[in-house]
Amino acid sequence: GQNIDQPTEMTATEGAIVQINCTYQTSGFNGLFWYQQHAGEAPTFLSYNVLDGLEEKGRFSSFLSRSKGYSYLLLKELQMKDSASYLCSAMDSNYQLIWGAGTKLIIKP
Amino acid sequence: IAGITQAPTSQILAAGRRMTLRCTQDMRHNAMYWYRQDLGLGLRLIHYSNTAGTTGKGEVPDGYSVSRANTDDFPLTLASAVPSQTSVYFCASSQGPEGSYEQYFGPGTRLTVT
Repeated sequence: GQNIDQPTEMTATEGAIVQINCTYQTSGFNGLFWYQQHAGEAPTFLSYNVLDGLEEKGRFSSFLSRSKGYSYLLLKELQMKDSASYLCSAMDSNYQLIWGAGTKLIIKP
Repeated sequence: IAGITQAPTSQILAAGRRMTLRCTQDMRHNAMYWYRQDLGLGLRLIHYSNTAGTTGKGEVPDGYSVSRANTDDFPLTLASAVPSQTSVYFCASSQGPEGSYEQYFGPGTRLTVT
């Protein structure tokens, strides 16, 4: 079956760095997405990886290892506004997204 | 408008009633999707449409129907609502094969079935 696993909740301190891990199993693979979702709002796109390696975009970076079925989202210089849920999703062979339940990130001052 | 709009924002509905959730996008995206999001679960795909005139079933299609008469609109209908359909419903769109698969989401409809 198809499955995405990510931690339910993480806590970090303002100004620090946090890494959110995601493992996936899909029928075929056409890329890995990360989305951010603030409470009561819609998900918004953060990153897309289809090749192995690290993609950096400002304070956020995303890594992919296709052989391990593994990705992580790295957030640097954490700000209070980064408190949100982070959703990992993998695109299967039919180009449909399989979604994880999300990781709720709590930032403490 | 720019992006995706959904209506209504929220609704309380009696069980057994029929309800249509509306979704409109102005980005000329080919693909559109309906998801439901429940606490502790990931987004679950209800129905999708890869292009106007075609639709497909997602992971949880039972009790829901969709149509795609044109590029912009993708309504979701609950024929006879049941309490288990209480959820937040998100509509999304993407360019699809001719562009990016990044999905853009509407603001959501919070539906309570009593």
